[in-house]
Amino acid sequence: KQEVTQIPAALSVPEGENLVLNCSFTDSAIYNLQWFRQDPGKGLTSLLLIQSSQREQTSGRLNASLDKSSGRSTLYIAASQPGDSATYLCAVKNYGQNFVFGPGTRLSVLP
Amino acid sequence: EPEVTQTPSHQVTQMGQEVILRCVPISNHLYFYWYRQILGQKVEFLVSFYNNEISEKSEIFDDQFSVERPDGSNFTLKIRSTKLEDSAMYFCASSEIMNTEAFFGQGTRLTVV
Repeated sequence: KQEVTQIPAALSVPEGENLVLNCSFTDSAIYNLQWFRQDPGKGLTSLLLIQSSQREQTSGRLNASLDKSSGRSTLYIAASQPGDSATYLCAVKNYGQNFVFGPGTRLSVLP
Repeated sequence: EPEVTQTPSHQVTQMGQEVILRCVPISNHLYFYWYRQILGQKVEFLVSFYNNEISEKSEIFDDQFSVERPDGSNFTLKIRSTKLEDSAMYFCASSEIMNTEAFFGQGTRLTVV
């Protein structure tokens, strides 16, 4: 059964810092992995999707990498801004199955 | 930009009552999903729907739950007799095909009192 963990659970950084959020999964036979952002009490906003054949994806200041063999993905946020403050969720999909979500990393970027 | 829309944004219901949560998926998407998030917990899968039938469901999705696509645009989740533990944020999602990017709605916060 797929299990997804995220480290750290919470992170507080000053504005302008580059930061890395980590996601680990137990079953490396994944089909894809998706990173989401969730603002308090709100829905899930898709940030990046990485297919199992890819090693990384980039969108603006965000870069997500995938190492299937070690069961890890990282989300790199460059030059963080207060508007980046949110919970970041990693979700993993095995073929033909549905997303298994991690518990999230709660990010606070201080002005 | 196309988006998944959910109504209502918040629903309060009494225990034992039936509720219907509504979703309008992105128009050219073929796969539809319901997930839920109990306050402070992980997002959990409930059910996936394709070609007018359930393709997969979790242990949570028992006989009290049902899904329907009553017309060409809406996708609904019905909880027949709500319990206190059904209180959660319910998210609808859709994807073009099974393993492509999934887009989530803003959620319906269900409070059972």
